[in-house]
This record gives sequence, structure tokens and C-alpha cells, in this order.
Amino acid sequence: KAGVTQTPRYLIKTRGQQVTLSCSPISGHRSVSWYQQTPGQGLQFLFEYFSETQRNKGNFPGRFSGRQFSNSRSEMNVSTLELGDSALYLCASSLPTFPGLTRYEQYFGPGTRLTVT
Amino acid sequence: DQQVKQNSPSLSVQEGRISILNCDYTNSMFDYFLWYKKYPAEGPTFLISISSIKDKNEDGRFTVFLNKSAKHLSLHIVPSQPGDSAVYFCAASGLTGGGNKLTFGTGTQLKVEL
Repeated sequence: KAGVTQTPRYLIKTRGQQVTLSCSPISGHRSVSWYQQTPGQGLQFLFEYFSETQRNKGNFPGRFSGRQFSNSRSEMNVSTLELGDSALYLCASSLPTFPGLTRYEQYFGPGTRLTVT
Repeated sequence: DQQVKQNSPSLSVQEGRISILNCDYTNSMFDYFLWYKKYPAEGPTFLISISSIKDKNEDGRFTVFLNKSAKHLSLHIVPSQPGDSAVYFCAASGLTGGGNKLTFGTGTQLKVEL
């Protein structure tokens, strides 16, 4: 079974620009989550999508947004880029978790390394 | 507020011996815990998980122990191999925060020496 794929793997942008990152989950996984990894803040949750709806959101400004398509593929967008947005952006997919039911592990893609200059 | 803490930034172990990585959490609503292994420039790789209804879960060389009263979990790797050298993250989630929102610790760099 193919793993989580993310494109592009590397990206260099200029302050003020916007960027769109793409994630294709493992086949059959309908939940997609996004995380940001930086040396200072570690791994931080951005948001989760399930059935094309944002189900949960972390503490990031509104410049960070995402969406999910009917085939479960997801994109995240960062507008008006700042130097501090330079990070490894990770996408993870899993089977969906619901209250009272089995919990499932998340599987991560290789990430997109974004550098803002 | 760091809800998941890994107080040892690094750990060095000899090949064949046991590696013990520790993790503490503060949020009593966490009910599912996971360990991930990460190499530089790659995404985390899932290792093992444990639900709060258990106190131990084992998978091959990896065993996770959960002590709910102490809000502490540990990962045991036996025997340690050079290929285990990586950064290990513990993560936690709770249904009240959304089932798939993971809160990560800061990681422990494990080095397994020959």
C-alpha cells in the first residue's frame, strides 16, 4: 500500500507571497491532519480534515488554511508568508476517530520543507 | 504550556542493551499515546501506541508502559540496534480535543553505539 505523499518536497518563497502544499493520504484513510515542525516550537498541530470538513484546528493565525477534496486529498495554504513560516510541513493520514470507538495511529508523509526569504 | 514533556534531549546506549525513553504529560484528558521515530528531513514513523485502558503494549523489540497515576509513559527498546539511532517523539491525544489532534513532546535523540 502506498504511503502518504506530499508535494512539493522543497519550496522557496519570498515574504508576502502565498504557498499551497498538497497531500495525498494512504488509500482508505479519510482523515488528514497537518503539522508544522520548527526547531523552536517542535511539532505543532495545524488542523484536521475529515469528509471535506475541518474537524479540529490548532493555534495558528488565519493565514493558515486548508481544504480536503472528495477523494480525501488535502491542500494547505499559507498566505502573506513571514520569515517565521519557514518550517517542515507534515501531513498525516489515518482512519477517522470518533468518541467511544477505536483509536487509530496517524501515518506521516515525508513533509514539505518551506523556506521563506 | 508544554502538555507533553520529554525531559531528556539525548540518550546514548550500547548496541544490544536496553534503551528506555521517557515521557510525561500533564493533561488528564489524554487517553491515547503514541511513539514515533524520526530521521532528519523525513516524516515521523509510527512505532507503537497504547490506550489509557492498558498499562503495557508490546510489539517486537518495542514495549510501551503507561502509568496513568504518574502521568508517565516510557518506551523500551530491547535489544537496541544501531539502526534505532534517531529522534523519538511521544505524542498524546484526547477525544475532547478532537480524536486526531496529536500533541507532541520535544523529542529525545537516541544514539546506539557499537
